[in-house]
Amino acid sequence: AQTVTQSQPEMSVQEAETVTLSCTYDTSESNYYLFWYKQPPSRQMILVIRQEAYKQQNATENRFSVNFQKAAKSFSLKISDSQLGDTAMYFCASEGTSGSRLTFGEGTQLTVNP
Amino acid sequence: ETGVTQSPTHLIKTRGQQVTLRCSSQSGHNTVSWYQQALGQGPQFIFQYYREEENGRGNFPPRFSGLQFPNYSSELNVNALELDDSALYLCASGGAGTANTGELFFGEGSRLTVL
Repeated sequence: AQTVTQSQPEMSVQEAETVTLSCTYDTSESNYYLFWYKQPPSRQMILVIRQEAYKQQNATENRFSVNFQKAAKSFSLKISDSQLGDTAMYFCASEGTSGSRLTFGEGTQLTVNP
Repeated sequence: ETGVTQSPTHLIKTRGQQVTLRCSSQSGHNTVSWYQQALGQGPQFIFQYYREEENGRGNFPPRFSGLQFPNYSSELNVNALELDDSALYLCASGGAGTANTGELFFGEGSRLTVL
């Protein structure tokens, strides 16, 4: 069984600044994947970034990067140079090796202010 | 644009009724998953279909059922609707097999309200 916890229901940041969203997880799997998804008001879930647990190097996608601490089971998302279009609900999710079943956290509503 | 479309976008039903939600996946995606997202919460896995067979199920009762068709379309059926079934239902399609690559492409969802 997998659990994902996001302890920040809401966060706000000024445009062009940096913000970090927190996520912790628990899993009994030896290998797994971790993700951050973005859900804007349009409701469509969009993959932001993905981390394979066996890779020690933190994933990076343009302005988005993660801090993956495997021993602490922590997986935070850093957004640099925040843009107004980053305003959305962000979900942390995990997936084990048993198939494409994502376990999502409760989400963090991020608001980027002009 | 993810190439995944869902219909209807919104619908209202009364308790006890039945509903069918539809999803059209990307061509070539032979895995489809359905998620239920209650207001203010993260999505919950309902079930997954791979090559027209159910291939994994979350903690949902049998009145939640599905179908997957060869033309990359799928359906979620819910019988005997309850008030707690009110939620956004998300369809997600993926690539070959059940490989856990995380490359799931989500539709915009169907918002179901049960009165």
